Amino acid sequence: NAGVTQTPKFQVLKTGQSMTLQCAQDMNHNSMYWYRQDPGMGLRLIYYSASEGTTDKGEVPNGYNVSRLNKREFSLRLESAAPSQTSVYFCASSSGMKETQYFGPGTRLLVL
Amino acid sequence: RKEVEQDPGPFNVPEGATVAFNCTYSNSASQSFFWYRQDCRKEPKLLMSVYSSGNEDGRFTAQLNRASQYISLLIRDSKLSDSATYLCVVNALYNFNKFYFGSGTKLNVKP
Repeated sequence: NAGVTQTPKFQVLKTGQSMTLQCAQDMNHNSMYWYRQDPGMGLRLIYYSASEGTTDKGEVPNGYNVSRLNKREFSLRLESAAPSQTSVYFCASSSGMKETQYFGPGTRLLVL
Repeated sequence: RKEVEQDPGPFNVPEGATVAFNCTYSNSASQSFFWYRQDCRKEPKLLMSVYSSGNEDGRFTAQLNRASQYISLLIRDSKLSDSATYLCVVNALYNFNKFYFGSGTKLNVKP
């Protein structure tokens, strides 16, 4: 099993450009999450999807959109990147409420 | 006030030492608690869940104190490989799908 995979691993964008971060899991998990991690801030939840077909905002959703394409895939889109979105982005999945989350390897994004 | 607070450290300890970290949380009705470990530039990985009665996994012991709203992690006989950042994680009061992460406590185990 690959677990949780993310693409790309690294990305450099110019301010105003758009991009989509991809995430897939092969553990048949219901719930999926997108976090960002900044120095000294810990992981902050951007969006989550409790089950296929549903998405909800987390702590820091502004500037992002998500799509739960199917049970396996959950993508994060930056429509117009800003330098404040420079961060490491982690996707995670879990089997359900209150369950352990499993993380992907992360995407390192630099917005110039 | 942050949902979850941790001492960032670093804690610098020699091999074989015992070290303890605490983490405080703000929502008294939080239900699920975890310790994750994160190596430099890697993803967080579950170290252990924290149960009400306390639990142990080898050299690691986790405790929950609901009255004072903190959880703790004790590491005995520290190994070089224990060097990492330890993240405290607590689930949200109103939505059990949402988890709050502390910013982590860095541990350096020295030879």
